[in-house]
Amino acid sequence: AQSVSQHNHHVILSEAASLELGCNYSYGGTVNLFWYVQYPGQHLQLLLKYFSGDPLVKGIKGFEAEFIKSKFSFNLRKPSVQWSDTAEYFCAVSTYSSASKIIFGSGTRLSIRP
Amino acid sequence: GAGVSQSPSNKVTEKGKDVELRCDPISGHTALYWYRQSLGQGLEFLIYFQGNSAPDKSGLPSDRFSAERTGGSVSTLTIQRTQQEDSAVYLCASSLGTSGGVPETQYFGPGTRLLVL
Repeated sequence: AQSVSQHNHHVILSEAASLELGCNYSYGGTVNLFWYVQYPGQHLQLLLKYFSGDPLVKGIKGFEAEFIKSKFSFNLRKPSVQWSDTAEYFCAVSTYSSASKIIFGSGTRLSIRP
Repeated sequence: GAGVSQSPSNKVTEKGKDVELRCDPISGHTALYWYRQSLGQGLEFLIYFQGNSAPDKSGLPSDRFSAERTGGSVSTLTIQRTQQEDSAVYLCASSLGTSGGVPETQYFGPGTRLLVL
């Protein structure tokens, strides 16, 4: 069965710093990959997703993620964070054969100092 | 239209009682998902429905948990004989389903916060 690891539990950055949140998955076959975000007091929402094609995926609010198949990774990046990026970020994976079973990581809490 | 709604928003119950959690998906969404988020944990997959069928129930933690969906719309998650470890936020999401092995975007509800005393 597939699983997802997010090794950074809590990341604290200053505004304008660059961000990279790690995500590794375990599954040898074709995968669908996602990053979701939950802003304080709001619902979970999709940031970006990868299914196929260009491994560098761009999402909303200036976020991007790169799928590196050889490393089983799908790290989230943003060149310059803002205070409004304070949120919890979840990486998720599903397999091609069981696409609707989307497994989430434990999440990374991002705190931005103004 | 409206987003995914869940009721109740908060539920406090005593150990051993049964609870029912409700999810109203976005109109037209054929897929519906239940997750559990315990304090400090990620989202734990419980079950998903395609229409009224649940192809994968492997995430349900025990036989005290069950779920059903009727009319391809509303879903109910039932927890029988609740235990303190059932305390968590139960999240529901819906989507247009999958297409060629690729899931459509999930839209999440606000969750039901369950506290078992």
